[in-house]
Amino acid sequence: QKEVEQDPGPLSVPEGAIVSLNCTYSNSAFQYFMWYRQYSRKGPELLMYTYSSGNKEDGRFTAQVDKSSKYISLFIRDSQPSDSATYLCAINQGAQKLVFGQGTRLTINP
Amino acid sequence: KAGVTQTPRYLIKTRGQQVTLSCSPISGHRSVSWYQQTPGQGLQFLFEYFSETQRNKGNFPGRFSGRQFSNSRSEMNVSTLELGDSALYLCASSLSRTPDTQYFGPGTRLTVL
Repeated sequence: QKEVEQDPGPLSVPEGAIVSLNCTYSNSAFQYFMWYRQYSRKGPELLMYTYSSGNKEDGRFTAQVDKSSKYISLFIRDSQPSDSATYLCAINQGAQKLVFGQGTRLTINP
Repeated sequence: KAGVTQTPRYLIKTRGQQVTLSCSPISGHRSVSWYQQTPGQGLQFLFEYFSETQRNKGNFPGRFSGRQFSNSRSEMNVSTLELGDSALYLCASSLSRTPDTQYFGPGTRLTVL
């Protein structure tokens, strides 16, 4: 079993839709959760960073961690074509080692 | 503030050769981590350097090695290249070794023929 599981998609939605991206993880000891966005031919860019459980909001983006079910989510409201990218969840396994999900390729259609 | 820079951006090598990739972290950042990204395996952690010492290592063979210099710049080396080493190699830097954010460079695209 992979430490972090993420549906690779692809996911295609119309502009303005609410997007829900999800990951599950196996080790309940994980405490630090990140979402990265990666455009084609670019390195990943940090979007959201959450410690432990709960929600964190930043503009149109909301990150949610449910430690009881080992489930992390990223919600994008009022999605824009510029949000089209691959979204990667990541967990800090300690000492700077990030474990990534496979990444979900998202397309927002105008 | 300049971001993480990686050189070269693209590289083509043949099997059996060796390659050295370079990473310059964000100014003031002392921790540098390396990752390999492939379509099949996704993003995988290679190793991390801090204060010129390797602090953490992923599950890669000994052909993959790295080092960090006193100015925090880092290099990674892959010897005896295999076709499966074709990947995007990403470098990430962070200010300290707390479970903090890491900032990624654009990567070096290595193709092994």
